[in-house]
Amino acid sequence: SYELTQPPSVSVSPGQTASITCSGDKLGDIYAYWYQQKPGQSPVLVIYQDSKRPSGIPERFSGSSSGNTATLTISGTQAMDEADYYCQAWDSSTAVFGGGTKLTVL
Amino acid sequence: QVQLVESGGGVVQPGRSLRLSCVASGFTFSSYTMHWVRQAPGKGLEWVAVISYDGSNKYYADSVKGRFTISRDNSKNTLYLQMNSLRAEDTAVYYCARGAYYDILTGYYRGWYFDLWGRGTLVSVSS
Repeated sequence: SYELTQPPSVSVSPGQTASITCSGDKLGDIYAYWYQQKPGQSPVLVIYQDSKRPSGIPERFSGSSSGNTATLTISGTQAMDEADYYCQAWDSSTAVFGGGTKLTVL
Repeated sequence: QVQLVESGGGVVQPGRSLRLSCVASGFTFSSYTMHWVRQAPGKGLEWVAVISYDGSNKYYADSVKGRFTISRDNSKNTLYLQMNSLRAEDTAVYYCARGAYYDILTGYYRGWYFDLWGRGTLVSVSS
């Protein structure tokens, strides 16, 4: 079965750029999606089709994908961006999530 | 208001059954694939199952295949998850999530992502 691997945690200082990676076999050949989940809340889609932002998602969120790695980048990170982030891809008709990355803004 | 509201969670003994419901409102429910995604306490997201817009196609995670059944009633704007032979490892918050939109004019799906989530319902399997 297809697997997506994320670092368990990433730390960033306010105002700096945070990068969260997601690795999977030939991930660059398929679309990656990113979700943000704050404590006690449901996940929210922040990036779809590798690099597109849904309506209402701040411009500081961006995505890219190449080779075996997709990357979520948060520019000018704010305290409100502290959350768990999950990448997701499709393996045929089934969805696969990465293990999640806890982003700490300190 | 566009929303999904789950219900039906609770405490259940191992081996027993439970049925979850998810009521959709504010959008054309019958045009979307729908999913169940779960999250064990303190753990990550795990996709569980998907059903096509018309209920004709269903797919499951290996961890629930043969035990869980996803279904929908488009006349009631409701998604279901019948969970049988429950195990301790099924303990989780279960979210319903909206998936791809089926364009009946073109015959194509678009938007292969989860763009709307419910607040979840907690299922606890314990003796």
